[in-house]
Amino acid sequence: NAGVTQTPKFQVLKTGQSMTLQCAQDMNHEYMSWYRQDPGMGLRLIHYSVGAGITDQGEVPNGYNVSRSTTEDFPLRLLSAAPSQTSVYFCASRPLSNQPQHFGDGTRLSIL
Amino acid sequence: RKEVEQDPGPFNVPEGATVAFNCTYSNSASQSFFWYRQDCRKEPKLLMSVYSSGNEDGRFTAQLNRASQYISLLIRDSKLSDSATYLCVVNPPPGRRALTFGSGTRLQVQP
Repeated sequence: NAGVTQTPKFQVLKTGQSMTLQCAQDMNHEYMSWYRQDPGMGLRLIHYSVGAGITDQGEVPNGYNVSRSTTEDFPLRLLSAAPSQTSVYFCASRPLSNQPQHFGDGTRLSIL
Repeated sequence: RKEVEQDPGPFNVPEGATVAFNCTYSNSASQSFFWYRQDCRKEPKLLMSVYSSGNEDGRFTAQLNRASQYISLLIRDSKLSDSATYLCVVNPPPGRRALTFGSGTRLQVQP
C-alpha cells in the first residue's frame, strides 16, 4: 500500500541551485497537486494537474515548474532555489470525483 | 473574502471536554467536504468526510449546513491525543479543479 510517495524526505540546498522533488502515486488518481507549508501557516497550493499532460498554477507558482507525463508521477522543479522557498512540501492525489485527497509524507527543504 | 475560513484558535480544553469547530465556505456550488487532522510537521490525514445528513465516527460528529454554508466538527470526551490542527477541505464545484483548504484550527487538550 504505497499510496503517495515523496522523495527525498529531507534536502538542503544552496541559493541558486536547482532540484526536483519527486512524487509518485499508485492509485491511478487523475488529480495531483503540490503544496508548501511554512511554519505555523496553512497549506498553499503551488501547482496541480487533472491528468497526464495537463497542469495548472495554484496560489504560489512562482519559482516552480511541474510536468505530468504519466498518471503516476508529478515532479516539482525548483529552478533557482531561494531562501524564501525553505518550507515543507506536500504532494497529494485524489480521483477527480468527490473523494478525499491523500498526502505524501512531505519533503523538508532548507535553502541556505 | 477567503474561500474557506476557520477560526485559527488555539482552543485549549481540558481532557473530557466537548469542543466544536466551524468552517465557512464562500462558494455555494461546492460539492463535497472533509475534515483532516494534521499533527505538527506531519502530513494532513483524512479524519472524516462530511455528509449532508451529518455523520458520526466514534467521538467525532461532522455536520454540513448548506443554507448557511458552513461545516462543523464536534469532538466529545476529548483526549490528549486529539491535540492537533484540524483542517476543513472543500471540493470544488464542477469546472473548478483545485481543492480549497482552510488554514486550520489548532486544538490543545490539556490534562
